[in-house]
Amino acid sequence: GENVEQHPSTLSVQEGDSAVIKCTYSDSASNYFPWYKQELGKGPQLIIDIRSNVGEKKDQRIAVTLNKTAKHFSLHITETQPEDSAVYFCAASTGGFKTIFGAGTRLFVKA
Amino acid sequence: DSGVTQTPKHLITATGQRVTLRCSPRSGDLSVYWYQQSLDQGLQFLIQYYNGEERAKGNILERFSAQQFPDLHSELNLSSLELGDSALYFCASSPRRGIADTQYFGPGTRLTVL
Repeated sequence: GENVEQHPSTLSVQEGDSAVIKCTYSDSASNYFPWYKQELGKGPQLIIDIRSNVGEKKDQRIAVTLNKTAKHFSLHITETQPEDSAVYFCAASTGGFKTIFGAGTRLFVKA
Repeated sequence: DSGVTQTPKHLITATGQRVTLRCSPRSGDLSVYWYQQSLDQGLQFLIQYYNGEERAKGNILERFSAQQFPDLHSELNLSSLELGDSALYFCASSPRRGIADTQYFGPGTRLTVL
């Protein structure tokens, strides 16, 4: 069946460094790719998303890139701060009723 | 604050019992999704409703059921509870169907089965 693979499962960086999380999807009909941040004890919150007609999107320190040919997309966080520490989930949606989430990446930003 | 509300925030119960989790979607959202998140696990999709009708089913156990009411709030019923049902249960909502929409998540209900 369709799935989304997310790597790495854990990522530790120094404050100020960049962090990159990568996802690969299997359903070529996927056309919407959101990223969520989940802090301890809270629900996932949307931080950025991209649709299939766009190759890159940026919002301040956060950017997402999409390669439809290779069926992968990535989250880039620059100038990381301790408050960026959280679990990040990628997802792929076909626009019907199916959104598949990746397994999550636990990001630690060391001060 | 996403605008999605869930009650209760915490629930402690015993094996074999039955509980009901409640979700109110964002104002105007017609779709409601339920997810289960066990300790250090990802989000497991359970079920989706759109405007009162079931639209998609994921890995939902037969002991679990859900419904969406005319006022669009939704309830997830968990029965014959087992220790392994202890988890965070999230509700999410989105505006439309047939279109890839952002899902907005509630704060979750933490269920502990003793």
